[in-house]
Amino acid sequence: EPEVTQTPSHQVTQMGQEVILRCVPISNHLYFYWYRQILGQKVEFLVSFYNNEISEKSEIFDDQFSVERPDGSNFTLKIRSTKLEDSAMYFCASRGGLGGGNQPQHFGDGTRLSIL
Amino acid sequence: SQKIEQNSEALNIQEGKTATLTCNYTNYSPAYLQWYRQDPGRGPVFLLLIRENEKEKRKERLKVTFDTTLKQSLFHITASQPADSATYLCAPANFNKFYFGSGTKLNVKP
Repeated sequence: EPEVTQTPSHQVTQMGQEVILRCVPISNHLYFYWYRQILGQKVEFLVSFYNNEISEKSEIFDDQFSVERPDGSNFTLKIRSTKLEDSAMYFCASRGGLGGGNQPQHFGDGTRLSIL
Repeated sequence: SQKIEQNSEALNIQEGKTATLTCNYTNYSPAYLQWYRQDPGRGPVFLLLIRENEKEKRKERLKVTFDTTLKQSLFHITASQPADSATYLCAPANFNKFYFGSGTKLNVKP
């Protein structure tokens, strides 16, 4: 069964450095998402992406964050200048088809980001 | 702003019993509601989706209800097994934005 893959599984970065988290969504999916989950807390929506542009974003997704689909397969999340509070598990998800939340999201197993 | 509430306390039940998990939401009118399972250190895994015009949905041992008047969804696992032990997340949705509840941890004891 096709799956969403994320790399790296664990990223350790110094505060103030830029970090790029990478995801390969399921190949025929049209909608792409990033979420974060701080340890012990809920999964929080960051951004959704469709047709090569941001569809929705949350208050968390400020100017320090950006997303890109540089080619037909990768979907990346960049954090420009990391802060200690960016430490979390970051999940990528994708879903296929048109319409609203009618289709399930498929999640990767996340990248654990640790800011020192 | 929208608020999604799930029982923060763990639900402990005996194998073979029915587990019932609750999801309440406020300041929100979702067109769909999805339920996911999350195991430690893993991403959420989709279980069931129910639309606002559906009252109930079933899949094998799973059943979901959706009451838009009460703003509540109930998630049932019948004949529960120790392998069902996990955290269960509800996610009401409108179009392309999904809000997750904090999840309820289910422990099924043999």
